Amino acid sequence: QKEVEQNSGPLSVPEGAIASLNCTYSDRGSQSFFWYRQYSGKSPELIMFIYSNGDKEDGRFTAQLNKASQYVSLLIRDSQPSDSATYLCAVNGPGNQFYFGTGTSLTVIP
Amino acid sequence: EPEVTQTPSHQVTQMGQEVILRCVPISNHLYFYWYRQILGQKVEFLVSFYNNEISEKSEIFDDQFSVERPDGSNFTLKIRSTKLEDSAMYFCPSAPSGVGNEQFFGPGTRLTVL
Repeated sequence: QKEVEQNSGPLSVPEGAIASLNCTYSDRGSQSFFWYRQYSGKSPELIMFIYSNGDKEDGRFTAQLNKASQYVSLLIRDSQPSDSATYLCAVNGPGNQFYFGTGTSLTVIP
Repeated sequence: EPEVTQTPSHQVTQMGQEVILRCVPISNHLYFYWYRQILGQKVEFLVSFYNNEISEKSEIFDDQFSVERPDGSNFTLKIRSTKLEDSAMYFCPSAPSGVGNEQFFGPGTRLTVL
């Protein structure tokens, strides 16, 4: 069984702060890593993907990957109340199916 | 921007009944998937589909489940005899190609089994 672990939270940060979300995975063969945002009652929305070790930046979002430590993270800079959601980490399996973590609930306090 | 569409948005059925959930993937995508999310739980992989056949399936995807791509646009999930524990949101993302490609989720179908 492929495991993807996330702290369930809730994580609360003040508006304008940096939110840091973490994820670990068990399968060393995984090559692709994704972050989705899910608002309550809605479907997952892709935010970022990362394939290579290091950092990848897209606007206020930075994904970080360390394959040796089997660790992937998402930083959200200048957090806004609209960022309040559950953030899902997903890791690819051998057939490109995704294994999801349980998600981290983020609340940005105005 | 093209999107995955799913119908119905909410399906209510009696235990033991058959249901068909329908999806229209993004038109130039080649890989299709079904996932489910039981309320309060994580998104779980059910099945992947490529070139008109199943490429991977999970332990959840037993003989009660089947998938079909009856024409060039629709992709369906059939549950033959629904159980209470089948109640969940069902999502059918699609991807333009295989390994490493991001999957784009539709709005989902909420299935309620009474």
